[in-house]
Amino acid sequence: QTVVTQEPSLSVSPGATVTLTCGLGSGSVSTNHFPSWYQQMPGQAPRSLIYYTENRSSGVPDRFSGAILENKAALTITGAQADDESDYYCVLYMGSGTNWVFGGGTKLTVL
Amino acid sequence: EVQLVESGGGLVQPGGSLRLSCAASGFAFSSYSLNWVRQAPGKGLEWISYIGISTTTIFHADSVKGRFTISRDNAKNSLYLQMNSLKDEDTAVYYCVRDWHYSFDFWGQGVLVTVSS
Repeated sequence: QTVVTQEPSLSVSPGATVTLTCGLGSGSVSTNHFPSWYQQMPGQAPRSLIYYTENRSSGVPDRFSGAILENKAALTITGAQADDESDYYCVLYMGSGTNWVFGGGTKLTVL
Repeated sequence: EVQLVESGGGLVQPGGSLRLSCAASGFAFSSYSLNWVRQAPGKGLEWISYIGISTTTIFHADSVKGRFTISRDNAKNSLYLQMNSLKDEDTAVYYCVRDWHYSFDFWGQGVLVTVSS
């Protein structure tokens, strides 16, 4: 069974930079996993932030960026704002059969 | 404006069936692959079903394989999820989601399915 790992929770000060990661229980994340990231505010549907590792979705501020760092997918928020406080999910494409596997999500607190 | 509107949720007993629908608008429906993603109360997201542009390409997660069937009607700009043999653990909000470069670019608002006796 494929396990995608995320930090359960992180905190960041307003204006600071924070990096959320997305790893594989066994193995390295690469661009071949087409990592993507989603923001979910309480009571709302998820919103696409990053697709195909590093591409920002339409309307996403450029303070959000994606990359592969040390064998994990990473979402970096540069200059965190209060309304970035949310749940963040990554998902990896594992190929036909298993298809997509979500991480457990990271609850980001801005304080 | 891209819109995905789910319907058909509700309360159903274990072992029962339900059919979810997703009405799409604002884009060329027949040119996009589509998915269903669910979220149990207080839990994370789980991908469960995919249907390609050609309806011959269909995948289901192991957790629903053999019980759920995804389908689409391009003439009606609609996506469906037939759910049979429902279990307590199928209780979740179900999202209709558009596929884009192996990611999920637009999400519906979700519909709640509650499986309980």
